[in-house]
Amino acid sequence: NAGVMQNPRHLVRRRGQEARLRCSPMKGHSHVYWYRQLPEEGLKFMVYLQKENIIDESGMPKERFSAEFPKEGPSILRIQQVVRGDSAAYFCASSPRGATNEKLFFGSGTQLSVL
Amino acid sequence: KQEVTQIPAALSVPEGENLVLNCSFTDSAIYNLQWFRQDPGKGLTSLLLIQSSQREQTSGRLNASLDKSSGRSTLYIAASQPGDSATYLCAVKKEGSGNTGKLIFGQGTTLQVKP
Repeated sequence: NAGVMQNPRHLVRRRGQEARLRCSPMKGHSHVYWYRQLPEEGLKFMVYLQKENIIDESGMPKERFSAEFPKEGPSILRIQQVVRGDSAAYFCASSPRGATNEKLFFGSGTQLSVL
Repeated sequence: KQEVTQIPAALSVPEGENLVLNCSFTDSAIYNLQWFRQDPGKGLTSLLLIQSSQREQTSGRLNASLDKSSGRSTLYIAASQPGDSATYLCAVKKEGSGNTGKLIFGQGTTLQVKP
């Protein structure tokens, strides 16, 4: 049973380009969460999605960032017009039902570097 | 506002020692607390999940305790091994966050176990 799969592992972008980060949850999981880990900071919640729905995006920056989790395919975190401050590790997690007492299972992350 | 603090930030011990990692949180209204392990360049591995009604959880050489009223948790590692070297993160799920999966993380304790 494969775990949470994220790709790419490393992504390099120049300022102003777009970054697309992909996350496939564990088999049987329909709830996806995105977290960001900035250098020298802890992980911070960004967004919570179920299939075709954004449930909580309270941690997402208001501009340039968007997320989706379509009916088919992986969840995508999209960052438009990247800036150096977007350089971070982006982690995706999933859970089976989104229940309060469930563990979250994390992927290996995508390290985004903005030149 | 919920804040999670982990002390110490870094710890170095000789192989075989028993050790304790500390986690404190400012708001005792939590659903649960989870301990993770993060290896360099890799994702998070869930170690133990303690529900708010529980006092401790054990898995192998690991034991995590929770004192919700005082806002503290400890992770006890028995007979440490070099393979235990990693960053250990604790995270709480705040009451009222419903099923959003919004975890609030500490900054982590980086453990080095010397052979």
